[in-house]
Amino acid sequence: GENVEQHPSTLSVQEGDSAVIKCTYSDSASNYFPWYKQELGKRPQLIIDIRSNVGEKKDQRIAVTLNKTAKHFSLHITETQPEDSAVYFCAAMNTGGFKTIFGAGTRLFVKA
Amino acid sequence: KAGVTQTPRYLIKTRGQQVTLSCSPISGHRSVSWYQQTPGQGLQFLFEYFSETQRNKGNFPGRFSGRQFSNSRSEMNVSTLELGDSALYLCASSLAQGAGEQYFGPGTRLTVT
Repeated sequence: GENVEQHPSTLSVQEGDSAVIKCTYSDSASNYFPWYKQELGKRPQLIIDIRSNVGEKKDQRIAVTLNKTAKHFSLHITETQPEDSAVYFCAAMNTGGFKTIFGAGTRLFVKA
Repeated sequence: KAGVTQTPRYLIKTRGQQVTLSCSPISGHRSVSWYQQTPGQGLQFLFEYFSETQRNKGNFPGRFSGRQFSNSRSEMNVSTLELGDSALYLCASSLAQGAGEQYFGPGTRLTVT
Protein backbone atom coordinates (compact mmCIF):
# COMPACT_ATOMS: atom_id res chain seq x y z
CA GLY A 1 0.00 0.00 0.00
CA GLU A 2 0.94 3.66 0.02
CA ASN A 3 3.75 4.57 2.34
CA VAL A 4 5.77 7.64 3.32
CA GLU A 5 9.12 7.16 5.03
CA GLN A 6 10.54 10.06 7.01
CA HIS A 7 14.07 10.50 8.36
CA PRO A 8 15.49 11.19 10.81
CA SER A 9 13.07 10.44 13.63
CA THR A 10 14.96 12.81 15.93
CA LEU A 11 17.16 15.76 15.03
CA SER A 12 19.06 17.99 17.38
CA VAL A 13 20.75 21.16 16.09
CA GLN A 14 22.37 24.22 17.57
CA GLU A 15 20.52 27.52 17.24
CA GLY A 16 21.46 29.16 13.96
CA ASP A 17 22.31 25.91 12.20
CA SER A 18 20.28 24.38 9.40
CA ALA A 19 17.97 21.37 9.71
CA VAL A 20 17.03 18.98 6.92
CA ILE A 21 14.26 16.39 7.06
CA LYS A 22 13.80 13.90 4.24
CA CYS A 23 10.80 11.92 3.05
CA THR A 24 10.26 9.26 0.42
CA TYR A 25 6.85 8.29 -0.91
CA SER A 26 5.70 5.17 -2.73
CA ASP A 27 2.55 6.21 -4.63
CA SER A 28 3.60 7.65 -7.96
CA ALA A 29 0.16 9.29 -8.28
CA SER A 30 0.95 11.60 -5.34
CA ASN A 31 0.88 15.19 -6.52
CA TYR A 32 0.71 17.32 -3.36
CA PHE A 33 3.27 17.33 -0.55
CA PRO A 34 2.54 19.36 2.61
CA TRP A 35 4.65 19.75 5.71
CA TYR A 36 3.11 20.20 9.14
CA LYS A 37 4.58 21.43 12.39
CA GLN A 38 3.08 20.15 15.62
CA GLU A 39 4.07 21.69 18.92
CA LEU A 40 3.48 19.79 22.12
CA GLY A 41 -0.22 19.57 22.91
CA LYS A 42 -1.25 21.51 19.82
CA ARG A 43 -2.76 20.69 16.45
CA PRO A 44 -0.62 20.15 13.34
CA GLN A 45 -0.13 23.42 11.45
CA LEU A 46 0.60 23.59 7.73
CA ILE A 47 3.93 25.38 7.28
CA ILE A 48 4.70 24.87 3.61
CA ASP A 49 3.57 22.72 0.72
CA ILE A 50 4.63 21.89 -2.81
CA ARG A 51 2.83 20.48 -5.80
CA SER A 52 4.26 18.01 -8.25
CA ASN A 53 4.70 20.56 -11.04
CA VAL A 54 7.22 22.52 -8.94
CA GLY A 55 10.73 21.46 -7.91
CA GLU A 56 11.36 23.89 -5.10
CA LYS A 57 9.48 26.37 -2.95
CA LYS A 58 10.75 28.79 -0.34
CA ASP A 59 9.09 30.81 2.39
CA GLN A 60 11.51 32.88 4.45
CA ARG A 61 13.64 30.40 6.44
CA ILE A 62 11.77 27.34 5.20
CA ALA A 63 12.18 25.62 1.86
CA VAL A 64 10.96 22.38 0.36
CA THR A 65 12.44 20.48 -2.57
CA LEU A 66 10.82 17.74 -4.61
CA ASN A 67 12.41 15.08 -6.82
CA LYS A 68 9.55 13.30 -8.56
CA THR A 69 11.82 10.81 -10.29
CA ALA A 70 13.25 9.61 -7.00
CA LYS A 71 9.91 10.11 -5.20
CA HIS A 72 11.75 12.13 -2.62
CA PHE A 73 11.08 15.48 -0.96
CA SER A 74 12.83 17.40 1.78
CA LEU A 75 12.24 20.22 4.24
CA HIS A 76 15.05 22.68 4.87
CA ILE A 77 15.00 25.08 7.80
CA THR A 78 17.79 27.66 7.91
CA GLU A 79 18.92 29.80 10.84
CA THR A 80 17.02 27.62 13.28
CA GLN A 81 15.57 29.17 16.41
CA PRO A 82 14.42 27.56 19.68
CA GLU A 83 10.79 28.15 18.66
CA ASP A 84 11.37 25.83 15.70
CA SER A 85 11.51 22.95 18.20
CA ALA A 86 8.52 20.71 17.43
CA VAL A 87 7.54 17.54 15.61
CA TYR A 88 7.48 17.92 11.84
CA PHE A 89 5.39 15.67 9.61
CA CYS A 90 5.70 15.26 5.88
CA ALA A 91 2.77 13.96 3.86
CA ALA A 92 1.95 12.84 0.35
CA MET A 93 -1.44 13.22 -1.22
CA ASN A 94 -3.05 12.11 -4.44
CA THR A 95 -5.57 14.92 -4.70
CA GLY A 96 -7.68 12.75 -6.97
CA GLY A 97 -7.78 9.96 -4.39
CA PHE A 98 -8.69 12.16 -1.43
CA LYS A 99 -6.25 10.41 0.87
CA THR A 100 -3.21 11.82 2.64
CA ILE A 101 -0.42 9.57 3.90
CA PHE A 102 1.77 11.00 6.64
CA GLY A 103 5.34 10.22 7.55
CA ALA A 104 6.07 9.09 11.09
CA GLY A 105 7.35 12.51 12.14
CA THR A 106 10.68 14.09 13.08
CA ARG A 107 11.21 15.54 16.51
CA LEU A 108 13.41 18.61 16.08
CA PHE A 109 15.28 20.06 19.04
CA VAL A 110 16.94 23.44 18.61
CA LYS A 111 19.42 24.11 21.40
CA ALA A 112 19.95 27.71 22.42
CA LYS B 1 -13.06 33.02 10.23
CA ALA B 2 -13.36 30.44 12.98
CA GLY B 3 -11.07 27.45 12.74
CA VAL B 4 -11.91 23.78 12.78
CA THR B 5 -13.60 22.76 16.02
CA GLN B 6 -13.96 19.34 17.57
CA THR B 7 -16.08 18.12 20.45
CA PRO B 8 -15.60 16.78 22.96
CA ARG B 9 -11.95 17.59 23.60
CA TYR B 10 -11.45 14.76 26.07
CA LEU B 11 -13.29 11.51 26.56
CA ILE B 12 -12.86 8.48 28.79
CA LYS B 13 -14.68 5.31 27.85
CA THR B 14 -14.68 1.69 28.89
CA ARG B 15 -13.81 -1.25 26.67
CA GLY B 16 -16.85 -2.42 24.71
CA GLN B 17 -18.58 0.94 24.72
CA GLN B 18 -19.08 3.10 21.66
CA VAL B 19 -18.20 6.73 21.09
CA THR B 20 -19.17 9.52 18.70
CA LEU B 21 -16.85 12.41 17.95
CA SER B 22 -17.86 15.59 16.16
CA CYS B 23 -16.02 17.93 13.82
CA SER B 24 -17.13 21.31 12.48
CA PRO B 25 -15.04 22.48 9.50
CA ILE B 26 -14.04 26.00 8.65
CA SER B 27 -16.98 27.86 7.17
CA GLY B 28 -17.11 27.20 3.44
CA HIS B 29 -14.94 24.08 3.63
CA ARG B 30 -16.71 21.04 2.27
CA SER B 31 -14.13 18.29 2.69
CA VAL B 32 -13.45 16.69 6.07
CA SER B 33 -10.81 14.06 6.78
CA TRP B 34 -10.28 12.13 10.00
CA TYR B 35 -6.98 10.89 11.41
CA GLN B 36 -5.90 8.82 14.38
CA GLN B 37 -2.71 9.98 16.07
CA THR B 38 -0.78 7.71 18.42
CA PRO B 39 2.82 7.96 19.64
CA GLY B 40 3.79 4.75 17.92
CA GLN B 41 1.89 5.05 14.63
CA GLY B 42 1.91 8.75 13.91
CA LEU B 43 -1.01 10.16 11.91
CA GLN B 44 -3.12 7.44 10.32
CA PHE B 45 -5.79 8.30 7.75
CA LEU B 46 -9.27 7.08 8.70
CA PHE B 47 -11.60 8.47 6.03
CA GLU B 48 -12.48 11.52 3.94
CA TYR B 49 -15.91 13.00 3.26
CA PHE B 50 -17.10 15.46 0.68
CA SER B 51 -20.72 16.44 0.07
CA GLU B 52 -21.92 13.81 2.53
CA THR B 53 -20.10 11.04 0.64
CA GLN B 54 -17.16 9.01 1.88
CA ARG B 55 -14.56 9.26 -0.87
CA ASN B 56 -11.80 7.18 0.64
CA LYS B 57 -11.12 5.03 3.67
CA GLY B 58 -7.95 3.99 5.44
CA ASN B 59 -7.01 0.58 6.77
CA PHE B 60 -9.15 0.51 9.88
CA PRO B 61 -11.68 -2.11 10.94
CA GLY B 62 -15.38 -1.66 10.33
CA ARG B 63 -15.82 -0.56 13.94
CA PHE B 64 -14.70 2.85 12.73
CA SER B 65 -17.35 4.68 10.75
CA GLY B 66 -18.27 8.21 9.92
CA ARG B 67 -20.71 10.47 8.23
CA GLN B 68 -21.05 14.01 6.99
CA PHE B 69 -24.09 16.23 7.17
CA SER B 70 -25.43 18.71 4.63
CA ASN B 71 -23.78 21.58 6.55
CA SER B 72 -20.39 19.77 6.16
CA ARG B 73 -20.16 18.91 9.86
CA SER B 74 -18.85 15.41 10.32
CA GLU B 75 -19.03 12.74 12.97
CA MET B 76 -17.02 9.62 13.48
CA ASN B 77 -18.16 6.65 15.50
CA VAL B 78 -16.16 3.86 17.06
CA SER B 79 -18.10 0.87 18.29
CA THR B 80 -16.98 -1.88 20.66
CA LEU B 81 -14.04 0.14 21.91
CA GLU B 82 -10.71 -1.59 22.50
CA LEU B 83 -7.77 -0.43 24.61
CA GLY B 84 -5.80 0.15 21.43
CA ASP B 85 -8.31 2.76 20.28
CA SER B 86 -6.89 5.19 22.84
CA ALA B 87 -5.52 8.02 20.74
CA LEU B 88 -5.89 11.61 19.66
CA TYR B 89 -8.50 11.83 16.90
CA LEU B 90 -7.96 14.75 14.58
CA CYS B 91 -10.17 16.05 11.86
CA ALA B 92 -9.04 18.35 9.09
CA SER B 93 -11.03 20.40 6.65
CA SER B 94 -10.21 21.68 3.20
CA LEU B 95 -11.97 24.00 0.82
CA ALA B 96 -12.88 21.50 -1.86
CA GLN B 97 -12.50 17.92 -2.84
CA GLY B 98 -8.88 17.25 -3.59
CA ALA B 99 -7.88 20.84 -2.84
CA GLY B 100 -4.84 19.75 -0.87
CA GLU B 101 -4.46 22.26 1.94
CA GLN B 102 -5.92 20.83 5.12
CA TYR B 103 -6.51 22.66 8.38
CA PHE B 104 -6.63 20.61 11.54
CA GLY B 105 -8.89 20.84 14.55
CA PRO B 106 -7.54 20.58 18.10
CA GLY B 107 -8.43 16.91 18.34
CA THR B 108 -10.39 14.72 20.71
CA ARG B 109 -8.28 12.78 23.21
CA LEU B 110 -9.96 9.40 23.69
CA THR B 111 -8.88 7.16 26.53
CA VAL B 112 -10.26 3.63 26.69
CA THR B 113 -9.94 1.86 30.05
